[in-house]
Amino acid sequence: EAGVAQSPRYKIIEKRQSVAFWCNPISGHATLYWYQQILGQGPKLLIQFQNNGVVDDSQLPKDRFSAERLKGVDSTLKIQPAKLEDSAVYLCASSQNPDRYYEQYFGPGTRLTVT
Amino acid sequence: AQSVAQPEDQVNVAEGNPLTVKCTYSVSGNPYLFWYVQYPNRGLQFLLKYITGDNLVKGSYGFEAEFNKSQTSFHLKKPSALVSDSALYFCAVRSLNTGGFKTIFGAGTRLFVKA
Repeated sequence: EAGVAQSPRYKIIEKRQSVAFWCNPISGHATLYWYQQILGQGPKLLIQFQNNGVVDDSQLPKDRFSAERLKGVDSTLKIQPAKLEDSAVYLCASSQNPDRYYEQYFGPGTRLTVT
Repeated sequence: AQSVAQPEDQVNVAEGNPLTVKCTYSVSGNPYLFWYVQYPNRGLQFLLKYITGDNLVKGSYGFEAEFNKSQTSFHLKKPSALVSDSALYFCAVRSLNTGGFKTIFGAGTRLFVKA
């Protein structure tokens, strides 16, 4: 079974630039999550999708972050404009459905460095 | 407000010895508790969960965890450590808050098993 795919794996940008991350969840997984993991901290949920609808985006900084999952499969997370404090690893995860939220399968992450 | 603490940044243990990675939590209501592991250059993997029932739960790779309600703890244990267990371990707690269920992760504990 193929895992959760993310790209790019690494990205370095200057502050005020924009960046986009892509995630392809495990086939058939209806629920998709984006997390931000700052160095030395645990993952923090940014947004959760159920198919192509948003379930929870309460911790997403909506003034600069946006995410979409138009066809209920792939998802993109965008930051515009980036700030220094956005430097982190961005993790994508998927699960079969919201009831199996604990069995999330995580991708390898995208490490973002903002200079 | 809910919180989860992993009081040790790093745990060192010799191969073959028992290991314990500590986790304490604070929630209002009944907690759902989880452990995840992150191996180098790989995504987080679900290890085990406590939802209800027996306080001792068994998970993947020979790990187990004990839920202690009076001490609000959910320590991860393994009777005999392997060098391959060296990784970053995250405790997570999920509970019902204003706005629905929220899951938060601890900051992580790095386990180093020496041969």
